[in-house]
Amino acid sequence: GENVEQHPSTLSVQEGDSAVIKCTYSDSASNYFPWYKQELGKRPQLIIDIRSNVGEKKDQRIAVTLNKTAKHFSLHITETQPEDSAVYFCAASTRDKIIFGKGTRLHILP
Amino acid sequence: DAGITQSPRHKVTETGTPVTLRCHQTENHRYMYWYRQDPGHGLRLIHYSYGVKDTDKGEVSDGYSVSRSKTEDFLLTLESATSSQTSVYFCAISEEGEPNYGYTFGSGTRLTVV
Repeated sequence: GENVEQHPSTLSVQEGDSAVIKCTYSDSASNYFPWYKQELGKRPQLIIDIRSNVGEKKDQRIAVTLNKTAKHFSLHITETQPEDSAVYFCAASTRDKIIFGKGTRLHILP
Repeated sequence: DAGITQSPRHKVTETGTPVTLRCHQTENHRYMYWYRQDPGHGLRLIHYSYGVKDTDKGEVSDGYSVSRSKTEDFLLTLESATSSQTSVYFCAISEEGEPNYGYTFGSGTRLTVV
């Protein structure tokens, strides 16, 4: 079945610097790749997604890139702010469900 | 929020007892999902449904069953709860009513099995 690997598991960056989270997937048929942000004690919320016919997508300070050949996709957060501190999950579609990575805990240091 | 609610929000139960968690949506969406979240494991799919009476297994379905007798309700049952099923359970619906779109999650149910 589909497997999604996510790295790193924990990431600390200085406020204002950039953060990058990387994921790989195993199912070559996957065609939808969402990213979720989960603040402490809250539900996961979709922050950005990308489909396999697109290589890059941006939304203000966040961007996602997709390399279908290598089965890699990444989340980039620029100019990080304290409110970016959270757990981030990547995910990949397989058939009619989505499989999640194990998450990255992002700490923004003052 | 986006018409999805879970009940109960918190539950403590004893080992060996049956437990049913409820997910209710007002969006009339076809696809509904149950995930569990545990530290170090992320979100793992338990079961999902693609219509009334249509369900399928996910990654960690052992010890769980589901039922969907109405479009709006998706029930998750632990037939005989074990301590390994202590977790936070999230229900989700696919935003466009079809798979391979963003999910909206419920607020979660924190289940403790003692």
